[in-house]
Amino acid sequence: GENVEQHPSTLSVQEGDSAVIKCTYSDSASNYFPWYKQELGKRPQLIIDIRSNVGEKKDQRIAVTLNKTAKHFSLHITETQPEDSAVYFCAASNTGTASKLTFGTGTRLQVTL
Amino acid sequence: NAGVTQTPKFQVLKTGQSMTLQCAQDMNHEYMSWYRQDPGMGLRLIHYSVGAGITDQGEVPNGYNVSRSTTEDFPLRLLSAAPSQTSVYFCASRRTGATEAFFGQGTRLTVV
Repeated sequence: GENVEQHPSTLSVQEGDSAVIKCTYSDSASNYFPWYKQELGKRPQLIIDIRSNVGEKKDQRIAVTLNKTAKHFSLHITETQPEDSAVYFCAASNTGTASKLTFGTGTRLQVTL
Repeated sequence: NAGVTQTPKFQVLKTGQSMTLQCAQDMNHEYMSWYRQDPGMGLRLIHYSVGAGITDQGEVPNGYNVSRSTTEDFPLRLLSAAPSQTSVYFCASRRTGATEAFFGQGTRLTVV
């Protein structure tokens, strides 16, 4: 089955700096890669996703890049703000079975003033 | 619009007790899933369903049963709770043809 590795497990940045979280996946059949943000005590919520036919996608301060050949994808957050502090999860799936999301182990991002 | 609703939010069980975690969605989503979240391990898939009457095992199914008699409901049953099942449980749903999964607010379960 699919295996997703996520690094780093914790990340501390100063407000205004950029943050990058990286994930690798193992199954070449995976073609959908979402990123979820989970605030303390809350449910995971989708913040951005990318399909395998696209190399990069941006949404304001958030971007995701995908390298299918290397089987890795990354989340980039620019101009970080305190409200970006949360745990971020990457995931991978085959859109034919997208209910079967395989998640990374999460990155705790702390944005300090 | 309630989305995905889980009950209860918190539960303490004694080892060996049984219980059912409820999950209901009002978005007419065909796909529903159960995940458990443990520190440092992300979310792991327990069971999933692609429609009423159809269920399948995920990554960590042992100790859990599910059924899907209606599109709206997808209960998770613990037949004999064990301390290893202490975790936060999330239910999620997705519409056929879409990719975004919507999560419930979670159930924090402690087995003592």
